[in-house]
Amino acid sequence: GAVVSQHPSWVICKSGTSVKIECRSLDFQATTMFWYRQFPKQSLMLMATSNEGSKATYEQGVEKDKFLINHASLTLSTLTVTSAHPEDSSFYICSASRANSNQPQHFGDGTRLSIL
Amino acid sequence: QKEVEQNSGPLSVPEGAIASLNCTYSDRGSQSFFWYRQYSGKSPELIMFIYSNGDKEDGRFTAQLNKASQYVSLLIRDSQPSDSATYLCALGSGAAGNKLTFGGGTRVLVKP
Repeated sequence: GAVVSQHPSWVICKSGTSVKIECRSLDFQATTMFWYRQFPKQSLMLMATSNEGSKATYEQGVEKDKFLINHASLTLSTLTVTSAHPEDSSFYICSASRANSNQPQHFGDGTRLSIL
Repeated sequence: QKEVEQNSGPLSVPEGAIASLNCTYSDRGSQSFFWYRQYSGKSPELIMFIYSNGDKEDGRFTAQLNKASQYVSLLIRDSQPSDSATYLCALGSGAAGNKLTFGGGTRVLVKP
């Protein structure tokens, strides 16, 4: 089946650091990938839709200058948390589905980000 | 009103029994519905998806969709301790129907 790889799985860093998270579709092309954030004991909240070759679409309340998304190829999207602060500590998860398909999304394993 | 509503639980179920989870939604135009299972500290994994009214069965899982009443449910037969997890209901939207809106999740505890 489809596999989505996310890296790194854990990040611990100091406040003010920028952190890049990668999301790759391993055996299929994904024109669209999604980035979610999940705080403890809460559900997944969509942050943005990553579109290959164009700008990402951000959900209301998500700062586009804070969370930079790049989708440079059909198999890779990156999320950069710029100047991260403790309140950005969360579980970040990407998902993807095959291009031109209404098949369900598959999720990466997630990245647990802890800002000290 | 939240777009996707789930009882947070926990839903405690004896091993071997049927676990019944419900999800209601507000957008009548929703066309695709998904159930994901999420273990603590892990990302969601897809269990079922359903697009049409009625029942859809896959192994021990059955999804039921009633668009007129705006609910979708998940039945887990012969519940096992390994089924203990949080179950997330999600609706698909957007042009491809793959932009997901999640409910808060229902925590299920299967007791041996």
